[in-house]
Amino acid sequence: EDQVTQSPEALRLQEGESSSLNCSYTVSGLRGLFWYRQDPGKGPEFLFTLYSAGEEKEKERLKATLTKKESFLHITAPKPEDSATYLCAVHSNRDDKIIFGKGTRLHILP
Amino acid sequence: DGGITQSPKYLFRKEGQNVTLSCEQNLNHDAMYWYRQDPGQGLRLIYYSQIVNDFQKGDIAEGYSVSREKKESFPLTVTSAQKNPTAFYLCASESGELFFGEGSRLTVL
Repeated sequence: EDQVTQSPEALRLQEGESSSLNCSYTVSGLRGLFWYRQDPGKGPEFLFTLYSAGEEKEKERLKATLTKKESFLHITAPKPEDSATYLCAVHSNRDDKIIFGKGTRLHILP
Repeated sequence: DGGITQSPKYLFRKEGQNVTLSCEQNLNHDAMYWYRQDPGQGLRLIYYSQIVNDFQKGDIAEGYSVSREKKESFPLTVTSAQKNPTAFYLCASESGELFFGEGSRLTVL
């Protein structure tokens, strides 16, 4: 069964303190792995798609990486406005399902 | 502007009533998805559709129904058989990535 596990569940950082969020996955044929940002009461906002092991993508203070079993979202020198829930999802080649992990709630303290 | 429109944004329902949530897209995407989100939880897949007149059950389809008569529209009905329907519902269309609407918050009184 396809599965996505994110860790930690919650993370509090001081402004400027870099860290990484983890997304471990099992899937029957990976079509793509997605990272989204979600603010309270809003729909998720797209950040990155990764397709194959070794791929990396960057956007401002965020960098996403992918291996055959997990993905990391690295956040460098975060600011309070980076506070949000970060969601990871995988798109299965086998049945076209897109399933999500439970997310990591990130809080950046000024 | 292109995007996903969900309505209503907030909905209250009495127990035993069916309710239909609307999802419309003007992105010309073939695939559409419905998710449910509970507090502190990620998104759980209810139903998805890859093409008009075809749809598949997701991981938590019991108590829900959908139709896909037009490419632009993928309405979700929450039936009285759904035991715990109070939740935040998100619709998305997909073309390499998911594009989400702003969500519908359903509260059962």
